[in-house]
Parts: sequence; structure tokens; C-alpha cells
Amino acid sequence: KAGVTQTPRYLIKTRGQQVTLSCSPISGHRSVSWYQQTPGQGLQFLFEYFSETQRNKGNFPGRFSGRQFSNSRSEMNVSTLELGDSALYLCASSLGASGGYEQYFGPGTRLTVT
Amino acid sequence: GDSVTQMEGPVTLSEEAFLTINCTYTATGYPSLFWYVQYPGEGLQLLLKATKADDKGSNKGFEATYRKETTSFHLEKGSVQVSDSAVYFCVLIQGAQKLVFGQGTRLTINP
Repeated sequence: KAGVTQTPRYLIKTRGQQVTLSCSPISGHRSVSWYQQTPGQGLQFLFEYFSETQRNKGNFPGRFSGRQFSNSRSEMNVSTLELGDSALYLCASSLGASGGYEQYFGPGTRLTVT
Repeated sequence: GDSVTQMEGPVTLSEEAFLTINCTYTATGYPSLFWYVQYPGEGLQLLLKATKADDKGSNKGFEATYRKETTSFHLEKGSVQVSDSAVYFCVLIQGAQKLVFGQGTRLTINP
């Protein structure tokens, strides 16, 4: 069974630009969560989607948004990029929506904002 | 809100040494607790979990016991190997799929 895939793996953008990251969950998984990992703040929850609906959102500004498609693939978008958005963005998928289901993480997309 | 505090790193040990990484949590209710590991160049992987008080999670020689009275979930291994070098995260989850991570502890094992 293929794991969680994220594209692209590396990205360099300029301040003020916008970016879209993609996540394909494990086949059959309907929940997708996004996390930001930085040396200073560690791993922080961005949002979670289940059956195309955002169920939870972390404490991030409105420049961070996401969506989930009917095939469970998910995208996250960051508009008006800032230097502080440089981070590893991790996507995780799970079978169900409750905390009892294990989350499987992808390798991440490393975003560098210059 | 819910939070996790884990032992500051980095931690450097010799092969076959005993390992303890301390983890305490603050949460309302009864969260599930996890240890995730991030090996160099790889994604996060679930190492072990415990879903209720007094549960012991174990995997690959690692163990952790869910202690409700001390709100702790310390990770232990009796004899570490070089291949255990990684970053370890103590994590809690309650209700929905939002994981709350500790700050991570970088472990280096020298031969």
C-alpha cells in the first residue's frame, strides 16, 4: 500500500507570493491533517479535513487555508508569503475522524521563503 | 489548552546505555498519548501509544506507561543502539484528529 505522498518536496518562493501544497492520503483514508514544523515553534497543527469538510483549525492567520477533494486528496494554500512561513509542512492521513485512528505522516514539503 | 512538555535535548548516550525521555502533559479529560519518532531524512512514525490510564505501550524495545496521577508518559529503553538516533516527540490527542506535540528531544547514540 502506498504511503502518504506530498508534492512538491521542496519549494522556494519569494515574500508576497502564494503557494499551494498537495497531499495524497493512503488509499481508503478519509481524514487529512496538516502540520507546520519549524525549529522555533516545533510541530503545530494547521487544520484537519474529513469528507471534504474542515473539522478543526489551529491558531494560524487566515492566509493559511486548505481544502479536501472528493477523492480525499488535500491541498493547503498560503497567500502573501512571509519569511516566517519557511517551514516543513507535514500532511497526515487516517482512516477515521476520531482520535482513536493512527495518523500516518508524509515526508513533508520544505518551503523556503526568501 | 492541552499541552505537552518533554525533556530538553539534545541527549547523547553510548550504545547499550539506558534511556529515559521524560514527558508530562496538561489536558482536560482523558487524552490518548503517543510517542512519535523522526529518523534523519524520514517522516514521522508512530513508535507506541497508550489510550487509557495504566496502559503500557511498547515497540522495538521502547516502553512508556500512561500515568494519570502524575500526568506523565515517560519513554524508556533498556539498551539503546546507534540506529535509535532520531528525534522523539511526545504527543497527545483528545477527541478529534488534532495532535498536540511536545517540542521534541534529539537523541544521539555513539558507538
